Amino acid sequence: NAGVTQTPKFRVLKTGQSMTLLCAQDMNHEYMYWYRQDPGMGLRLIHYSVGEGTTAKGEVPDGYNVSRLKKQNFLLGLESAAPSQTSVYFCASKASGWNNEQFFGPGTRLTVL
Amino acid sequence: DAKTTQPPSMDCAEGRAANLPCNHSTISGNEYVYWYRQIHSQGPQYIIHGLKNNETNEMASLIITEDRKSSTLILPHATLRDTAVYYCIVRAVHQTGANNLFFGTGTRLTVIP
Repeated sequence: NAGVTQTPKFRVLKTGQSMTLLCAQDMNHEYMYWYRQDPGMGLRLIHYSVGEGTTAKGEVPDGYNVSRLKKQNFLLGLESAAPSQTSVYFCASKASGWNNEQFFGPGTRLTVL
Repeated sequence: DAKTTQPPSMDCAEGRAANLPCNHSTISGNEYVYWYRQIHSQGPQYIIHGLKNNETNEMASLIITEDRKSSTLILPHATLRDTAVYYCIVRAVHQTGANNLFFGTGTRLTVIP
């Protein structure tokens, strides 16, 4: 049981390049989330999904797109990376129901030059 | 969602109890208090949550005042591995829905040998 995994762990992009971050969970969770964390700050929600085929905007969605084609995967895309998107990205998942415990992945450190 | 206030940093001697305060004076009747922690460079980890009664699990105890305007997370015997940023989050919980969490800047706890 790997929990929540993220690929890649590190990435360096040039301004204007695109990339996709992959999040996978093996806990059969309904809900999945993408956060970003800037230095010295708490996590901010980018997008989330309440189930396969559905996505919704979070607190800071601009510049990102997401897809949830399979229940176990949640992809975060940057179409044209900007230096302001340099951050650590965390994915999380949660079971449906009253329990609000989110399980987080190890993070992806992205640098945009 | 109710806003929370936490001290930016605290120190605790190894082996002693760590008491982390959180103020949430605008909390509503249906909002829970959640605690997560983030060890350096890792994804956040759920610790405990409660509504109005005190709660205890294998990691910590949560003491909520009778008026629910503040709470304290207690780590009974702090170890060096408890050094982390601790986030107090107040959130209404719905049986359906993503129940998104909003992270502030938390309290940086340093356990001193």
